[in-house]
Amino acid sequence: DIQMTQSPSTLSASVGDRVTITCRASQRISGWLAWYQQKPGKAPKLLIYKASSLESGVPSRFSGSGSGTEFTLTISSLQVDDFATYYCQQYDTNLTFGQGTKLEIK
Amino acid sequence: QVQLVQSGPEVKRPGASMKVSCKGSGYTFTAYFLHWVRQAPGHGPEWMGWINPHSGGTKYAQKFQGRVSMTRDTSIGTAYMELSSLTKDDTAVYYCARGEEYCSGGICYLDHWGQGILVTVSS
Repeated sequence: DIQMTQSPSTLSASVGDRVTITCRASQRISGWLAWYQQKPGKAPKLLIYKASSLESGVPSRFSGSGSGTEFTLTISSLQVDDFATYYCQQYDTNLTFGQGTKLEIK
Repeated sequence: QVQLVQSGPEVKRPGASMKVSCKGSGYTFTAYFLHWVRQAPGHGPEWMGWINPHSGGTKYAQKFQGRVSMTRDTSIGTAYMELSSLTKDDTAVYYCARGEEYCSGGICYLDHWGQGILVTVSS
């Protein structure tokens, strides 16, 4: 199975900050990577697919990049609504999720 | 709008089986793969498998093979996931999620999710 490792596990930031979350795959997955946002008690919400394509309706402050084994999710200017947990998911071979990055208010 | 509505929370005894449902609406039910994903408390999501609602074909994650069964009833636009021989480690929120439009062989990202069902396994 392909393993997905996110870093950091927890990130403290302030409104207006630019933040980056990293996701590494245990083997090459081309660009078959998605990012999700999850708030407590809610289902994950799709943000980014195919590494860098923004899902319809998602604010443009979210962006994704990367290929091969290393990928990043960037939020250009944090808003209060962005404090949540973020997961990456590969879909090159079956589906595997990362362990999550919790974005907290500093 | 696309909606996936799941059945209610359940409490099960160890060794029992669970069967949860997921009703799709707002789209053509048979045109999109339907995945099941679970999330144990404090953990990331874990993929369990998919069903092709058109053909009834399935693929299960190796971890769950022999213990999981995914079925569907196209007449009512509903998918089901049954998990047997439950242990406390199966305590989790179980989600159904729709695969994206161009899902190749069922392997894809998930564009719409159900609200989740908490299943608690406890004696």
